[in-house]
Amino acid sequence: DAKTTQPTSMDCAEGRAANLPCNHSTISGNEYVYWYRQIHSQGPQYIIHGLKNNETNEMASLIITEDRKSSTLILPHATLRDTAVYYCIVRVAWGNQGGKLIFGQGTELSVKP
Amino acid sequence: EPEVTQTPSHQVTQMGQEVILRCVPISNHLYFYWYRQILGQKVEFLVSFYNNEISEKSEIFDDQFSVERPDGSNFTLKIRSTKLEDSAMYFCASIGQNYGYTFGSGTRLTVV
Repeated sequence: DAKTTQPTSMDCAEGRAANLPCNHSTISGNEYVYWYRQIHSQGPQYIIHGLKNNETNEMASLIITEDRKSSTLILPHATLRDTAVYYCIVRVAWGNQGGKLIFGQGTELSVKP
Repeated sequence: EPEVTQTPSHQVTQMGQEVILRCVPISNHLYFYWYRQILGQKVEFLVSFYNNEISEKSEIFDDQFSVERPDGSNFTLKIRSTKLEDSAMYFCASIGQNYGYTFGSGTRLTVV
């Protein structure tokens, strides 16, 4: 299973963009990069995922480098409610779907007023 | 937006007792999972379930654990004889066509 490396913690000012980096240098060609977040012991919440192209949805943007060895999750206008632990996960390929998620320690993002 | 529902939200049980944690996955999802998170630690994979059978399980998922989907909607995790170290948040999850997992809000299990 490919592993990911994330900073332990980050701060961000409210209203500013939060850029959360992730290294996944051993990612395989058919593995996706997923981002989840967990707000204070609630269930992890899916944010976004991508294979090699940059992705954007209503929550965030995902920028994946051309060599796919790293990615950045961007929260364009962070709010206090975005304070959470953010997990970058490379999904273990398993058939056409499925596959467990292997959580690391994640990045604890604190959004400050 | 569809949700994964877990009950109860909090369960307290005595050591050695059996507990059943219940989950209702999203109706058109086919893959189901249980994860747990001991306080202050990482979220850990326990088991995955597809087509009415276990497809993968972790080392944590020993003979004390079992899962089943008794009626086509509920998905349960049973711990036969609870230990103190089973105290944790237990999360159910299911996955749909867009490859995005949806997690429930969890059951906090406290073994005393």
